[in-house]
Amino acid sequence: GQSLEQPSEVTAVEGAIVQINCTYQTSGFYGLSWYQQHDGGAPTFLSYNALDGLEETGRFSSFLSRSDSYGYLLLQELQMKDSASYFCAVKTSYDKVIFGPGTSLSVIP
Amino acid sequence: DARVTQTPRDKVTEMGQEVTMRCQPILGHNTVFWYRQTMKQGLELLAYFRNRAPLDDSGMPKDRFSAEMPDATLATLKIQPSEPRDSAVYFCASGAGQGQETQYFGPGTRLLVL
Repeated sequence: GQSLEQPSEVTAVEGAIVQINCTYQTSGFYGLSWYQQHDGGAPTFLSYNALDGLEETGRFSSFLSRSDSYGYLLLQELQMKDSASYFCAVKTSYDKVIFGPGTSLSVIP
Repeated sequence: DARVTQTPRDKVTEMGQEVTMRCQPILGHNTVFWYRQTMKQGLELLAYFRNRAPLDDSGMPKDRFSAEMPDATLATLKIQPSEPRDSAVYFCASGAGQGQETQYFGPGTRLLVL
């Protein structure tokens, strides 16, 4: 079967750093993506890792370890607007992506 | 500003009625995906197309759901007959294909079946 696991909820303080983990078991693996979704909105692409290591894009960084079937999204200098759901997604074939259950991040003052 | 568009944005219907949702992918994108999102099941892939050809519709209940791409600028998802358990947000997403990893999501159609 195919499964992705993420924590369901995370709470962090404004200005702090938070890490959202994702573990996966899939029949194919091309890479790991992260998407952000605000309440009532559509998912928007944040990052993609095909190779092991850390990718940095502004305040957001994403990490992948293919040998551990594990990745994480790191958000620094948290802002209130970062309160949203974050989904990891595994690209299992040339086009197909499977999404994780999502992590609801609450940023508190 | 290129974006995926979906119509209608909201739909309320009664059980047994036909529902048609439409999606216009970003011009030049050759892959189109239909997802369903519920609190219980999360984001589920229903079907996807590459160059208008259906590649995978294994996530879709075949007896009542159908997905088509009559042309490169229009994708449709139909439910006939609709049931209360179909109530969800349906997202369309498009991608540039060629192995590109980014999917661009439309605003979604919020469907409520009474």
